[in-house]
Amino acid sequence: QVQLVQSGAEVKKPGASVKVSCKASGYTFTGYYMHWVRQAPGQGLEWMGRITPSSGDTNYAQKFLGRVTMTRDTSIRTAYMELSRLRSDDTAVYYCAAEYNWFDPWGQGTLVTVSS
Amino acid sequence: QAVVTQETSLTVSPGGTVTLTCGSSTGAVTSGHYPYWFQQKPGQAPRTLIYDASNKHSWTPARFSGSLLGGKAALTLSGAQPEDEAEYYCFLFYSGVWVFGGGTTLTVL
Repeated sequence: QVQLVQSGAEVKKPGASVKVSCKASGYTFTGYYMHWVRQAPGQGLEWMGRITPSSGDTNYAQKFLGRVTMTRDTSIRTAYMELSRLRSDDTAVYYCAAEYNWFDPWGQGTLVTVSS
Repeated sequence: QAVVTQETSLTVSPGGTVTLTCGSSTGAVTSGHYPYWFQQKPGQAPRTLIYDASNKHSWTPARFSGSLLGGKAALTLSGAQPEDEAEYYCFLFYSGVWVFGGGTTLTVL
């Protein structure tokens, strides 16, 4: 079936980087934008950016410019989101979401905890 | 970057009707913003209710409808059910970037 499976939870120290993966199945990976969205504990949704899997082109939210890098490996149908120079307020659940079926599916979410 | 505004919280009685709205700091919300409405329940990923302002997803209950109204996107719930208690997010497109609203907590009480 159509699904996105994300990598597992991460604990990082301030200043470090984290790379979250999102493996797609059940649809044409290169045919649809892949978005990354995060949600801090008890807070709202925040769009981070998107990647065009066929070309690797990216669009990032202004807030994350210079700190986020979205990439993909089409051979294994996987998208990646790397966030650098982590701060405590980057603690959040990070989701990938494909624009395949009007923003469906979403991954299960990856909790990234930033703590010293 | 644009700011998308939503009501912080709303309450509706069971069986009642409520309208959630979504505004943009750049001016009127139009079809060119491709407005989405997502529903999110605790511990779950968001789920699309409405796309392109008024189109329902395959799983969207008939009691939900979307529209453009008075320069805003609107989500109307007619005949609220207890299971509609959730967080609702508006999502707008601005020339290559997307922006979420802050979300509306809907209480059915």
